[in-house]
Amino acid sequence: LAKTTQPISMDSYEGQEVNITCSHNNIATNDYITWYQQFPSQGPRFIIQGYKTKVTNEVASLFIPADRKSSTLSLPRVSLSDTAVYYCLVGDFPGTYKYIFGTGTRLKVLA
Amino acid sequence: ETGVTQSPTHLIKTRGQQVTLRCSSQSGHNTVSWYQQALGQGPQFIFQYYREEENGRGNFPPRFSGLQFPNYSSELNVNALELDDSALYLCASSLRGAPNSPLHFGNGTRLTVT
Repeated sequence: LAKTTQPISMDSYEGQEVNITCSHNNIATNDYITWYQQFPSQGPRFIIQGYKTKVTNEVASLFIPADRKSSTLSLPRVSLSDTAVYYCLVGDFPGTYKYIFGTGTRLKVLA
Repeated sequence: ETGVTQSPTHLIKTRGQQVTLRCSSQSGHNTVSWYQQALGQGPQFIFQYYREEENGRGNFPPRFSGLQFPNYSSELNVNALELDDSALYLCASSLRGAPNSPLHFGNGTRLTVT
């Protein structure tokens, strides 16, 4: 399983776009990249998943360069309610039976 | 669509006791995974169940055991509780066989061992 590296924390202001980058240098050909969001005392919530180029849904975009050794989660116009921990995971889902979470990125959105 | 539900939400036990945590998977899902999350840390994989059998295990001792039932619900059992077992225990379900089916988590059971 590819190891991931993310910034430990980030601060932003309401209304700004936030980009969180994850490094995964050892990503395998069959691996997908998945991002989760977690609020205190709640389980992680699936945000977005992608394999290459760009994926967009109603809450976020995921940018993956051609070499796939990193990915960037983009949150447009964040609000205070986006304050949470964001986790990047890499694996051959669902072939990967063991999802490895790192310590994640703690995003704090300020008013 | 019913999401993943866990019970109880909070639990206090004494060191040496045994505990059983329960999880109902999201409708349509056939695989259940359990995670332990200590304060300030990311979730740590305990084990996964598929077709009522353990399908993979993380670095946890045998006193952590589980079951999956025909309706895909699951239990996590922990024997001989230790103080370090205090954590948020998360259950997640997914659909094995579906391409890149992400995990769907419940909100966990907060276990405190005194």
